[in-house]
Amino acid sequence: GESVGLHLPTLSVQEGDNSIINCAYSNSASDYFIWYKQESGKGPQFIIDIRSNMDKRQGQRVTVLLNKTVKHLSLQIAATQPGDSAVYFCAENNDMRFGAGTRLTVKP
Amino acid sequence: DSGVTQTPKHLITATGQRVTLRCSPRSGDLSVYWYQQSLDQGLQFLIQYYNGEERAKGNILERFSAQQFPDLHSELNLSSLELGDSALYFCASSVGSGAKNIQYFGAGTRLSVL
Repeated sequence: GESVGLHLPTLSVQEGDNSIINCAYSNSASDYFIWYKQESGKGPQFIIDIRSNMDKRQGQRVTVLLNKTVKHLSLQIAATQPGDSAVYFCAENNDMRFGAGTRLTVKP
Repeated sequence: DSGVTQTPKHLITATGQRVTLRCSPRSGDLSVYWYQQSLDQGLQFLIQYYNGEERAKGNILERFSAQQFPDLHSELNLSSLELGDSALYFCASSVGSGAKNIQYFGAGTRLSVL
């Protein structure tokens, strides 16, 4: 079957730098994607979503980019803060599997 | 606060036992999802209910079962527990049944099987 996957299991950045978290998907029929953030000891929280008719969507300090040609999503976090430290998951509408996620650690 | 309530927060039990985890979805949400998360692992989708009916099934073991009641709360029953069942169990809810729905997660139930 096809699944959502992540390129990097861990990412460490300096406070104030920008972070980029990547996600690969293989189901070409997927047309809706969501990013979730899971802080330690908590359940995942919705961050931002994007539909396949868009290449880019911006939120507050976060931007999601979608490249349908290579089936790739990225989540960009601007001016990363310690509170951004968490595990980030991407999800697609044609797969209930979340993948292992990427653990983002922000160094002060 | 997501609006999804899970009880209990923690559960410690022995192998071979049976437990029930409870989830109350956000007001107005008709779908409930159950996930299992082992240490440093991703979220494993178990099962989804929509308005009382089973809608989708993931890698849920035969020893596990779930249901959604008329008031839309859901219960996940885990029986003949094994050490490997120790994990965080999350419930999520969404308004609709389709996959294009943002899921709102509860804080989870941490199950420890000794």
